[in-house]
Amino acid sequence: DAKTTQPPSMDCAEGRAANLPCNHSTISGNEYVYWYRQIHSQGPQYIIHGLKNNETNEMASLIITEDRKSSTLILPHATLRDTAVYYCIVRVAYTGNQFYFGTGTSLTVIP
Amino acid sequence: EAGVAQSPRYKIIEKRQSVAFWCNPISGHATLYWYQQILGQGPKLLIQFQNNGVVDDSQLPKDRFSAERLKGVDSTLKIQPAKLEDSAVYLCASSRGQDLSYEQYFGPGTRLTVT
Repeated sequence: DAKTTQPPSMDCAEGRAANLPCNHSTISGNEYVYWYRQIHSQGPQYIIHGLKNNETNEMASLIITEDRKSSTLILPHATLRDTAVYYCIVRVAYTGNQFYFGTGTSLTVIP
Repeated sequence: EAGVAQSPRYKIIEKRQSVAFWCNPISGHATLYWYQQILGQGPKLLIQFQNNGVVDDSQLPKDRFSAERLKGVDSTLKIQPAKLEDSAVYLCASSRGQDLSYEQYFGPGTRLTVT
């Protein structure tokens, strides 16, 4: 049972920042927000994760609101290769600490 | 560092036949996961292993699906007998452990078509 809400699709112009929103209003205090993406016919690829603070790595930035009820994944300079389905996941804290994937946001980067 | 390996990449079988998938996780990763991804949906967890023990198999259709990780490294997932609705991509993933802060790394998947 996914605990996140994402828009089903988004477009972004090549070279511009892509901002992908995610709502997770029922997140608990020790649960992390993860982002993965899946390019057609490949396995999901880890992007970034965070608990409370904003995070940045070589791929993206993750902005988490102070109340932790929503977050935004930012791809600073989108390229055509960033076209993929992006999954926002709240990792649920019980047996096994599993990931529950929703249906994600299909991002299309337009030339 | 080598990633998660899976084989075969593609498999086509007839309904009521059996099939097996193999997964080799990243070296040193204690936790291994099998997911089923039906076209247009996100991956759904089937079973999770911690070393060679099962942590959660509540979503595994045990009347036809089975999985093992005998030596705590490689794993196999079997379907016997297959049904049409088993057509999906089967993904294997691994992580250092079950901690909430440990990310999972996925293999390329096995695309199963049941005719």
